[in-house]
Amino acid sequence: KNQVEQSPQSLIILEGKNCTLQCNYTVSPFSNLRWYKQDTGRGPVSLTIMTFSENTKSNGRYTATLDADTKQSSLHITASQLSDSASYICVVSAYGNNRLAFGKGNQVVVIP
Amino acid sequence: IAGITQAPTSQILAAGRRMTLRCTQDMRHNAMYWYRQDLGLGLRLIHYSNTAGTTGKGEVPDGYSVSRANTDDFPLTLASAVPSQTSVYFCATRAKGLAGGPSNEQFFGPGTRLTVL
Repeated sequence: KNQVEQSPQSLIILEGKNCTLQCNYTVSPFSNLRWYKQDTGRGPVSLTIMTFSENTKSNGRYTATLDADTKQSSLHITASQLSDSASYICVVSAYGNNRLAFGKGNQVVVIP
Repeated sequence: IAGITQAPTSQILAAGRRMTLRCTQDMRHNAMYWYRQDLGLGLRLIHYSNTAGTTGKGEVPDGYSVSRANTDDFPLTLASAVPSQTSVYFCATRAKGLAGGPSNEQFFGPGTRLTVL
């Protein structure tokens, strides 16, 4: 069973609207959680990182939340733009382990 | 500063042929990784190297080999390609830091799209 589950698998939203992506994980002991953005034909790029003590972090129109008790994270996109069309990958790291646990990604398509 | 370069950008290969995917970084990062990304499966680790001279197996190592002769280069070799190795391959690097700590951000290259017929 994958240690990181993301939902929804894909979604289509109108330009200017908001959306929220979900990530549930079972990785333990938890160290940090990153959201990566992957544009079509490109490699993933880190958007945010959250450690155990953080519950909200923003990067422009992207806001990530973390609930370490329920092992859930969300990525909220505000006032979506066409350039937000991408796959968003939740990546979780455990202490003492340099390997990462990857979610399968949320595919977001923003339409005009 | 180029960061991470991968070559070739894409390749069509006949089954049974040998192929080496190249990855070069100029960030002097200690750790390097090879992933494959397939639709519906996400990124899966093939091999990794924590430092020059050492390598390790990831989640899906069969059919692949790597070497790490120096800090900058981490080639991935398919000794005898099979159609199931059709995928997009990403090389990644990580700067040295506390294992699993916040400094463990991995930086990804642009990828190589490989098709094995």
